[in-house]
Amino acid sequence: DGGITQSPKYLFRKEGQNVTLSCEQNLNHDAMYWYRQDPGQGLRLIYYSQIVNDFQKGDIAEGYSVSREKKESFPLTVTSAQKNPTAFYLCASSINRQNTEAFFGQGTRLTVV
Amino acid sequence: AQKVTQAQTEISVVEKEDVTLDCVYETRDTTYYLFWYKQPPSGELVFLIRRNSFDEQNEISGRYSWNFQKSTSSFNFTITASQVVDSAVYFCALTPRGRGSTLGRLYFGRGTQLTVWP
Repeated sequence: DGGITQSPKYLFRKEGQNVTLSCEQNLNHDAMYWYRQDPGQGLRLIYYSQIVNDFQKGDIAEGYSVSREKKESFPLTVTSAQKNPTAFYLCASSINRQNTEAFFGQGTRLTVV
Repeated sequence: AQKVTQAQTEISVVEKEDVTLDCVYETRDTTYYLFWYKQPPSGELVFLIRRNSFDEQNEISGRYSWNFQKSTSSFNFTITASQVVDSAVYFCALTPRGRGSTLGRLYFGRGTQLTVWP
């Protein structure tokens, strides 16, 4: 089945550690996005990529990094510089930058312990 | 600047009641898309509808209907005869399409938690 796969579903991290969240899509979409969701705050854009080997910062990029070496993959690294990383992270993709419809993964819940 | 406001944080209704979720948006772009997404407890966002800014026709899909009014910058969502399975968080979102805007990115409201009681 076509779709977006995020892994793992739950992730625990110790303070000071980097951790990478996986996002893979087999929809042949050009554009991919990472959003962060906090209770009562909706979704905020972290990074986005419109094409392979290119990505742009969103509204809350500090403390995060991404790569887009392959069309189907857009991993997000939460670094130790991110002050408050505990959140729900959602990956999305759309056919192209026109984004007539974005498809979302099931999310990764990251908890810092 | 792009902004989406969902003033209703939480709504509770009893099964079979009708319920309307409000969405007000702000954008300087003359062309844009508006969306509604549903987020069940599992967490995944489920696409419900996309509306082009040029198309103000209201839409009905089964028990769901949407009222787009450009004059008031609103895109409200009504569920008729609500059911327990409708319980979820609902997000309204905007994608600007004007020149110079970041094409493709979604601007979300804070969401409305809908609880339907049996």
